[in-house]
Amino acid sequence: QVQLVQSGAEVKKPEASVKVSCKASGYTFTGYYINWVRQAPGQGLEWMGWINPDSGGTNYAQKFQGRVTMTTDTSISTAYMELSRLRSDDTAMYYCARDESSSWSRYDSWGQGTLVTVSS
Amino acid sequence: IQLTQSPSSLSASVGDRVTITCRASQGISSYLVWYQQKPGKAPKLLIYAASTLQSGVPSRFSGSGSGTDFTLTISSLQPEDFATYYCQQVNNYPFTFGPGTKVDIK
Repeated sequence: QVQLVQSGAEVKKPEASVKVSCKASGYTFTGYYINWVRQAPGQGLEWMGWINPDSGGTNYAQKFQGRVTMTTDTSISTAYMELSRLRSDDTAMYYCARDESSSWSRYDSWGQGTLVTVSS
Repeated sequence: IQLTQSPSSLSASVGDRVTITCRASQGISSYLVWYQQKPGKAPKLLIYAASTLQSGVPSRFSGSGSGTDFTLTISSLQPEDFATYYCQQVNNYPFTFGPGTKVDIK
């Protein structure tokens, strides 16, 4: 079965960087885009962008341009999301999600989430 | 594209028919997705392309609409349906989510 397993919780200081991993199994990793979505405590969902594991192509929300980098290592079916220059308002649960279709986007499988806490 | 949802929360009983509305600030054709999220869990895909039920999702869930106005309907609310529901537009970048509608027990 399709499964996405994310790395563990992180605590970072302001201005530091964090790199979250998302290991896929149960399907052909290069066949589906991986999206990243975050959720601040008690708040709604926020789309950050996607990566095409086949080509390495990315599309980032403008809000995160210059601070976010999404990469993949196809040899181990793992996607990564790195966010730099962290601020306190980056404290959130970060999810990776598989896009079942690039033409009618929908996220059919999600990781369990990685809590990133930014605090001095 | 901004999405608004109404109501922001509602209280309902098991067996009730529940309707949640999602409105887009501009037309998005049928590029609208609905997710359900329970506390401490990742979202779950319910409906895509505004009205297509995801495989494995109970048929009591249905979606409709196109352009700017969309609805999610739960025909007979079950205990496991108490959750927060989000719409998402996937027509224009950045993809955006609505603020959510929390459905709790009356």
